[in-house]
Amino acid sequence: EPEVTQTPSHQVTQMGQEVILRCVPISNHLYFYWYRQILGQKVEFLVSFYNNEISEKSEIFDDQFSVERPDGSNFTLKIRSTKLEDSAMYFCASSEALVQSYYGYTFGSGTRLTVV
Amino acid sequence: KNEVEQSPQNLTAQEGEFITINCSYSVGISALHWLQQHPGGGIVSLFMLSSGKKKHGRLIATINIQEKHSSLHITASHPRDSAVYICADIQRGGGADGLTFGKGTHLIIQP
Repeated sequence: EPEVTQTPSHQVTQMGQEVILRCVPISNHLYFYWYRQILGQKVEFLVSFYNNEISEKSEIFDDQFSVERPDGSNFTLKIRSTKLEDSAMYFCASSEALVQSYYGYTFGSGTRLTVV
Repeated sequence: KNEVEQSPQNLTAQEGEFITINCSYSVGISALHWLQQHPGGGIVSLFMLSSGKKKHGRLIATINIQEKHSSLHITASHPRDSAVYICADIQRGGGADGLTFGKGTHLIIQP
């Protein structure tokens, strides 16, 4: 069964450093998403991406965050200057079509980011 | 603002019991997901439904759009069903909108 692949599975970084989280969505999917889950809290939407541009973003997704699809297969989330409160599990997801068209999501297994 | 509420927050049951987890949401939606999150953190989509009922193995999901309510049932529960079950919805409207998640129900099935 096709998978969404995320790397690395765990990253530790120093406060103020830039991190790039990588995702390889399912190849025929068109819609891509990043979510995060702070330990003990619910999963929160960060951003959705379609047709090489951001479609929607939440209040969390401020100027410190950016996404891109550099080569048609990878989908990356960059955090420019990490803060302690960015420590969380980050999930990538992709879908074949708009959710409203009844196609489900496939989630990656997540990247656990620890900012020290 | 859309709110997704789940109940109960925690549920411990004996193997074989019939399990029900409830989900309520506050605004009209296009579809609702039921997801499963295991202790390692990975999230698996169980169901997406916009009306009626869906069944997959021992899992059944129902939704009542008028009442803004959905339930996930597990029949003949087994210890391997122990996980966090999360409902998440997407509102009506265009665009690749993200999901709004509930806080999850932590289910433990004891042998």
